[in-house]
Amino acid sequence: DAKTTQPPSMDCAEGRAANLPCNHSTISGNEYVYWYRQIHSQGPQYIIHGLKNNETNEMASLIITEDRKSSTLILPHATLRDTAVYYCIVRVAGNDMRFGAGTRLTVKP
Amino acid sequence: GAVVSQHPSWVICKSGTSVKIECRSLDFQATTMFWYRQFPKQSLMLMATSNEGSKATYEQGVEKDKFLINHASLTLSTLTVTSAHPEDSSFYICSASNTANTEAFFGQGTRLTVV
Repeated sequence: DAKTTQPPSMDCAEGRAANLPCNHSTISGNEYVYWYRQIHSQGPQYIIHGLKNNETNEMASLIITEDRKSSTLILPHATLRDTAVYYCIVRVAGNDMRFGAGTRLTVKP
Repeated sequence: GAVVSQHPSWVICKSGTSVKIECRSLDFQATTMFWYRQFPKQSLMLMATSNEGSKATYEQGVEKDKFLINHASLTLSTLTVTSAHPEDSSFYICSASNTANTEAFFGQGTRLTVV
């Protein structure tokens, strides 16, 4: 599976949108982009995933560039409970999921 | 989303003993389950992939005789840490995936402390 590159940390003001970038320049055509987050001492929580089109659910939006080499996870109105490590992963459906270092997002009051 | 239950949430054991961790998919059939280990301030590291009814595939550097994985049914996989030592103390996490589900769902993790 292709690797991803994420900034190690980001801050966001409470109530503002948090935009988390991810580069996956070697992604192949059948690999999805997944986002998970991990709050301290818990298992990863699924957020969203997509293949080519932008996706939105109750938690977040996923914007994938046309060439699919990068994506952005958007939390529209960040709250203190969104403070977590966010992982961007590319994966063929059904294959193992390998985690990079992720982005530590800190939402500040 | 689908639910994956991991048990126990935490366990303390004496050095030299064995510990079994269970991972269950509660509302879907998991043809494949994955086991991860996470040390403090580090990311999740894949240990092994288990497919129902067949032997697990271990990642390089993971001792298969120490970390026994059994995936006897479509809803249950177990990880047994044999002859545990303090350096095995870690956060162990399982996930389950059905190829019909494009996402993988994670258990809540098991904190193992070997004393």
